[in-house]
Amino acid sequence: DTGVSQNPRHKITKRGQNVTFRCDPISEHNRLYWYRQTLGQGPEFLTYFQNEAQLEKSRLLSDRFSAERPKGSFSTLEIQRTEQGDSAMYLCASSLTQGALVGYTFGSGTRLTVV
Amino acid sequence: DQQVKQNSPSLSVQEGRISILNCDYTNSMFDYFLWYKKYPAEGPTFLISISSIKDKNEDGRFTVFLNKSAKHLSLHIVPSQPGDSAVYFCAASEGGADGLTFGKGTHLIIQP
Repeated sequence: DTGVSQNPRHKITKRGQNVTFRCDPISEHNRLYWYRQTLGQGPEFLTYFQNEAQLEKSRLLSDRFSAERPKGSFSTLEIQRTEQGDSAMYLCASSLTQGALVGYTFGSGTRLTVV
Repeated sequence: DQQVKQNSPSLSVQEGRISILNCDYTNSMFDYFLWYKKYPAEGPTFLISISSIKDKNEDGRFTVFLNKSAKHLSLHIVPSQPGDSAVYFCAASEGGADGLTFGKGTHLIIQP
C-alpha cells in the first residue's frame, strides 16, 4: 500500500471554471477527510466520510464545494465557479477508526491556483 | 477566531538539545490533542496524541504534556536531530469528533 494518493498534484484554472480533485485512501481505511490549507495557516477541516456516508459537511466553505465517495473507496472534491480565494492546498486524509484518537494519514495534497 | 494557537512561528534549536514546541487552546470542550509534523511538499504526518484524561504521553524521543487548567500543551523532542527540522502543527478535537482544529504551525530548525 502506497499511502493516500491525491491527483492531480497541481492544478491551475481560470476563475469561473469548475475543478475536481481525486483522493484514493489507504485501502482498509473506512474514514476519509478533506482539508484545505492556505499559506501560513494550518489545515482547515472541510468534510469527512465513513464508508460512502458523508457524516459532516457543514464545514464546507460554500455551496460551490461538494464531495462524494460513491463506493466507499476513492473520493472527489469539486469546486464550481472557482474564485481566486479558492487558491490553496487541498489535503485528503484517511483513517481506520476515529481520526481524533489515532491520527490520520494525509496525502501530499493538490495545490490549486486560480488565475 | 483561532481556537488553537501556536504563538511561535519559528524556533531554532541546536542538534542534541531539547526542542519545546508550545500550543494553547481556548475551547474547553477539546478533549483530544494531536501533533503533526510536515516537510515541504508533503502532507502532515501524525506524531503523537494525548487525551484529556492524561497529562503526559511519551513515544520515543517525543513527549507531549497537557496542562488542562492552563489550556496549554507542549511537545518535547529529546534529543533534537537534523531530520526533526519541519513545521509542527498542534491539533485538537472536541468530543473525539473526526474533524480536527489545527494551529498555524511552528517551523522548527535544528542547527548542526
